[in-house]
Amino acid sequence: KQEVTQIPAALSVPEGENLVLNCSFTDSAIYNLQWFRQDPGKGLTSLLLIQSSQREQTSGRLNASLDKSSGRSTLYIAASQPGDSATYLCAVKMNRDDKIIFGKGTRLHILP
Amino acid sequence: EAQVTQNPRYLITVTGKKLTVTCSQNMNHEYMSWYRQDPGLGLRQIYYSMNVEVTDKGDVPEGYKVSRKEKRNFPLILESPSPNQTSLYFCASSPGRLAASTDTQYFGPGTRLTVL
Repeated sequence: KQEVTQIPAALSVPEGENLVLNCSFTDSAIYNLQWFRQDPGKGLTSLLLIQSSQREQTSGRLNASLDKSSGRSTLYIAASQPGDSATYLCAVKMNRDDKIIFGKGTRLHILP
Repeated sequence: EAQVTQNPRYLITVTGKKLTVTCSQNMNHEYMSWYRQDPGLGLRQIYYSMNVEVTDKGDVPEGYKVSRKEKRNFPLILESPSPNQTSLYFCASSPGRLAASTDTQYFGPGTRLTVL
């Protein structure tokens, strides 16, 4: 059974720093991996989608990488801002049945 | 505007009283899904559908039913709600495998359900 783990569960960094969020998964037979952002009391907003054949995707200050063979993805945030404070979630879609499994998220706090 | 809508946004009910949470998308997406989000457990998939009349169980389907009679609608039915189904529920949709490079999930605003 696929398990998705996000470490750390919470992270506080000063404004302006670059940071990396981690996502690992136990079953490498994935169709894609997606990173989301969730603000308190709100729904999820998609940040980046990486197909299983891709190694990375970039959008503005965000860069997501995927190493399927080792079961790892990272989300790199450059020059962090207070507005980046939110919970970040990764989710994998399985290749065999299209089921989607989420990690429990990393709660990020950017200190002004 | 491309969106996923859910109704109601908030619902308080009593044990055993059947309820339906509606979900609708206007993006002609193939794939639709229901999740519940609980503190400490994260988001867990309840049911998903890859097309009309095709539904599959996610990780936590017990106590729930779904149907996909039309492409745009994917209602979640609780036939006999119990207090352990108190949760925040999200509906989501995505293009599916016909559009692999854009198979991004779009989420509704959530439905907060309390079962007394």
